[in-house]
Amino acid sequence: GAGVSQSPSNKVTEKGKDVELRCDPISGHTALYWYRQSLGQGLEFLIYFQGNSAPDKSGLPSDRFSAERTGGSVSTLTIQRTQQEDSAVYLCASSLQGIGNTEAFFGQGTRLTVV
Amino acid sequence: KQEVTQIPAALSVPEGENLVLNCSFTDSAIYNLQWFRQDPGKGLTSLLLIQSSQREQTSGRLNASLDKSSGRSTLYIAASQPGDSATYLCAVGNYGQNFVFGPGTRLSVLP
Repeated sequence: GAGVSQSPSNKVTEKGKDVELRCDPISGHTALYWYRQSLGQGLEFLIYFQGNSAPDKSGLPSDRFSAERTGGSVSTLTIQRTQQEDSAVYLCASSLQGIGNTEAFFGQGTRLTVV
Repeated sequence: KQEVTQIPAALSVPEGENLVLNCSFTDSAIYNLQWFRQDPGKGLTSLLLIQSSQREQTSGRLNASLDKSSGRSTLYIAASQPGDSATYLCAVGNYGQNFVFGPGTRLSVLP
């Protein structure tokens, strides 16, 4: 596609439910990043995929959070047993190569509200 | 651990003014620095990417400079317009690590 695509754009879920957020990176981009942005806060790193290397999961806030990237393309961020503090905008980005080489492009984000 | 700060936190200027946004980072061993704008409720739009070997990049009315040794970057916006109103974020790329973002500068350009 022309840009990074995220779905859904908005998600409202009940506390305790599991949610899946999807990211379609730009075709051919080997690097994919997930960030989240809480209301009025800066961007918080979650996880980074680069090609076939093991992902950098150092930003995941708890073991309720996990992410996969299948076939080096689409990525899914899963949040289990959602809590109200998980409410945020989840942003995905991709770049042609890894950190330090090329420009990162962001999707429009998924706004998650846990009620 | 890389830390990124941005000054000012918010800025309000009349239309037509030239302005400078500042970004500082603590670890000068970076690979690149990228400036983004974010409109309310939207994702991030890339404005300029400066590689560590570069001193500046220009795109239209925007000019970004990088002084790696002092840990600073500036984003210069010429002849500001109301459509420039947004939050401007800088992000630093360190080798083998994620991008680290600053908290942003919220810009309002008044007609």
